[in-house]
Amino acid sequence: EDQVTQSPEALRLQEGESSSLNCSYTVSGLRGLFWYRQDPGKGPEFLFTLYSAGEEKEKERLKATLTKKESFLHITAPKPEDSATYLCAVHSDSSYKLIFGSGTRLLVRP
Amino acid sequence: EAGVAQSPRYKIIEKRQSVAFWCNPISGHATLYWYQQILGQGPKLLIQFQNNGVVDDSQLPKDRFSAERLKGVDSTLKIQPAKLEDSAVYLCASSLEGRLAATTDTQYFGPGTRLTVL
Repeated sequence: EDQVTQSPEALRLQEGESSSLNCSYTVSGLRGLFWYRQDPGKGPEFLFTLYSAGEEKEKERLKATLTKKESFLHITAPKPEDSATYLCAVHSDSSYKLIFGSGTRLLVRP
Repeated sequence: EAGVAQSPRYKIIEKRQSVAFWCNPISGHATLYWYQQILGQGPKLLIQFQNNGVVDDSQLPKDRFSAERLKGVDSTLKIQPAKLEDSAVYLCASSLEGRLAATTDTQYFGPGTRLTVL
């Protein structure tokens, strides 16, 4: 059965303090791994798709990386506006649906 | 480009009452998804449509939930009768190709409907 586990559940950072969020996955065959950002009271906002181990993608202060077992979302010099819940999801060969993790709640204090 | 539209944004009902949610996907997107997101959890797929047809409804509680997508565009999700455990955010998403995609397909989400069942 496909599974996605995100850690930590919550993370508090000072503005400018870089860190990483982890997404561990178990799938029969990975078609794609997605990162979404979700603000309170809003739907998930698409950030990145990664397809194969070794792939990296960047957007402003965010960089996503992928290995055969996990993905990291690196946040460099975060700002308070980066505060949100970050969701990881996988799409596997065995299913047409996305399997989401429970997310990491990030709070960046000024 | 307009995003996924949902209404209402909030709904409060008593248990055993009925409720319906509406979704208008991004123009041209063949696939539409309904998710349930309970507080503190990631979204869970309830049903997936490819144009008019249902691709996956394995996690839809069919004794009380129903969904339709007429003419392959708008969709409605209904709960009848509602239970306390149905309190959640109901998200609609759409993607361009869905199961027809050669690799995988990005899903774009609407703002959701927050349902509270008292």
